[in-house]
Amino acid sequence: KAGVTQTPRYLIKTRGQQVTLSCSPISGHRSVSWYQQTPGQGLQFLFEYFSETQRNKGNFPGRFSGRQFSNSRSEMNVSTLELGDSALYLCASSLGNRAVNEKLFFGSGTQLSVL
Amino acid sequence: DQQVKQNSPSLSVQEGRISILNCDYTNSMFDYFLWYKKYPAEGPTFLISISSIKDKNEDGRFTVFLNKSAKHLSLHIVPSQPGDSAVYFCAASASAMEYGNKLVFGAGTILRVKS
Repeated sequence: KAGVTQTPRYLIKTRGQQVTLSCSPISGHRSVSWYQQTPGQGLQFLFEYFSETQRNKGNFPGRFSGRQFSNSRSEMNVSTLELGDSALYLCASSLGNRAVNEKLFFGSGTQLSVL
Repeated sequence: DQQVKQNSPSLSVQEGRISILNCDYTNSMFDYFLWYKKYPAEGPTFLISISSIKDKNEDGRFTVFLNKSAKHLSLHIVPSQPGDSAVYFCAASASAMEYGNKLVFGAGTILRVKS
């Protein structure tokens, strides 16, 4: 079974640009979550999508947005990039069953550098 | 506010000895706790978890202990091996509907196992 796939692995952008990151979940997983990892800050929750709907959202500005397609693949978009957006962006998938505690399966991440 | 705290940024242990990683949480709604391990340039991989109805869970060399009254959990690795050198993240979630599948992470502890 293929794991969570994120593309691209590395991105370099300049301030003010926008960027789109892609995530393909494990087959059969309907929930996709996005996290931002910066040095010393752990992983900060961005949002979760389930059945093409945003189900949960973290405390990030509106410049961060996402969407999910009917095949459960997800994209994350960051507009008007700032230097502080430089981070590792991680995607995680799960079955999305809220009735049980679930562990998340993570991709390798997209390392975004904003110059 | 940091709801999950890992107060030790790093830990160095001799091969064959015990590694103990600690984690504290503040939110009483958390009822499921996980440990993830992360190597550089890779996504976090699930290690072990524990439900709040238990106080101990064991899987091979890894044991997680939960002390609900102290809102504290710890991960024990015995014996430690050089391949265990990685960043370890503590995470927590709540089964309450508004939390969904969101995991709240600590900042991580870098474990170095010396041979």
